[in-house]
Amino acid sequence: DTGVSQDPRHKITKRGQNVTFRCDPISEHNRLYWYRQTLGQGPEFLTYFQNEAQLEKSRLLSDRFSAERPKGSFSTLEIQRTEQGDSAMYLCASSFFRGQEGYTFGSGTRLTVV
Amino acid sequence: AQKVTQAQTEISVVEKEDVTLDCVYETRDTTYYLFWYKQPPSGELVFLIRRNSFDEQNEISGRYSWNFQKSTSSFNFTITASQVVDSAVYFCALSEAGGSEKLVFGKGTKLTVNP
Repeated sequence: DTGVSQDPRHKITKRGQNVTFRCDPISEHNRLYWYRQTLGQGPEFLTYFQNEAQLEKSRLLSDRFSAERPKGSFSTLEIQRTEQGDSAMYLCASSFFRGQEGYTFGSGTRLTVV
Repeated sequence: AQKVTQAQTEISVVEKEDVTLDCVYETRDTTYYLFWYKQPPSGELVFLIRRNSFDEQNEISGRYSWNFQKSTSSFNFTITASQVVDSAVYFCALSEAGGSEKLVFGKGTKLTVNP
């Protein structure tokens, strides 16, 4: 296993368009998290899944955001009707619940809304 | 609510100097975890350490050491004999134990090690 993979690495989109990001976690990890990081800030929690169940969503996750994790494997994060304020790095992380290590983060998807 | 404060926004040192990155946290939980992550210019967050709130032993890993003091709610990180490759943004983070275990990050400290 090569770690957490995110696709695409970079995405430039016009305001109002929909975008979708994909995250492939480490296969034996049962938890998957999405974070958003803006310039000069630490990552902020958006949502997480345990297996296929989405168990918590941050108030940062407006109605334009939706995340799925079908069959408890990869996850997608979709942003509808993108706004300039959505420009950020979107990070995915996975972990094994009650594991001894911290999360493993992917390299992120950098979204630029023009 | 949980909060992590990294008061040092940027630090610049010369290679081989020792440097300490400060981290102060707030939580009402009695059991929690503390973390340090490194974010090099490539952007990926690299896990450095996880500490359980019940374990106040200091830890050393090569040139890295961590000082956890529950009495002052601090979890400081020291790099000994810094190297240019240590240049990165370092984040301290906190999570509850149990539940979502989501991470609450500080704003990070940008460390620049000059040759």
